Amino acid sequence: SQKIEQNSEALNIQEGKTATLTCNYTNYSPAYLQWYRQDPGRGPVFLLLIRENEKEKRKERLKVTFDTTLKQSLFHITASQPADSATYLCGLPGSSASKIIFGSGTRLSIRP
Amino acid sequence: EPEVTQTPSHQVTQMGQEVILRCVPISNHLYFYWYRQILGQKVEFLVSFYNNEISEKSEIFDDQFSVERPDGSNFTLKIRSTKLEDSAMYFCASSERTTFSGNTIYFGEGSWLTVV
Repeated sequence: SQKIEQNSEALNIQEGKTATLTCNYTNYSPAYLQWYRQDPGRGPVFLLLIRENEKEKRKERLKVTFDTTLKQSLFHITASQPADSATYLCGLPGSSASKIIFGSGTRLSIRP
Repeated sequence: EPEVTQTPSHQVTQMGQEVILRCVPISNHLYFYWYRQILGQKVEFLVSFYNNEISEKSEIFDDQFSVERPDGSNFTLKIRSTKLEDSAMYFCASSERTTFSGNTIYFGEGSWLTVV
């Protein structure tokens, strides 16, 4: 069955550094991959989508890569700020194309 | 910016009672979803809905659950006889097109259900 793995351990980094989060998946070949941000008690908010034919996508301080051979996406936040502290979810389309399946998320904490 | 709205934000109910969670999706969206997140766990897919019928449902979405679009704006999730393990945050979401094309899903702020 489709499986999405994100580092379940929290990531703590110093303000100003680059945060890198990992999403690995197995048992399918998604046409795209999405990243969402979730703050405590709030709904997920879409950040970026990258398609299988794209190696890299950027949006302001965010950068996403997608390696379909490794079955992995990396999510980078450059010049990180305490306001970037949140849980980041990796989402992939289900095989039926009528849902997005999410990983368990990685909690990121940026310390001043 | 258009948003998905959900009511109530928090509901406490006794085990065995029926609960209806309400959602108003973004107005031009055609695809609707319910997700669930138990405290400290992942966001789990429950059901997707299009053209007044269920497109897909997960194993969680058993006979105790139902969805309905009673009018042109609301989308509801009903839990017929709540159990303690139904305690969770329930998120409604909508998208303009099917997720097949890479369409973004927009989530509401959630309805926190506590079953006692």
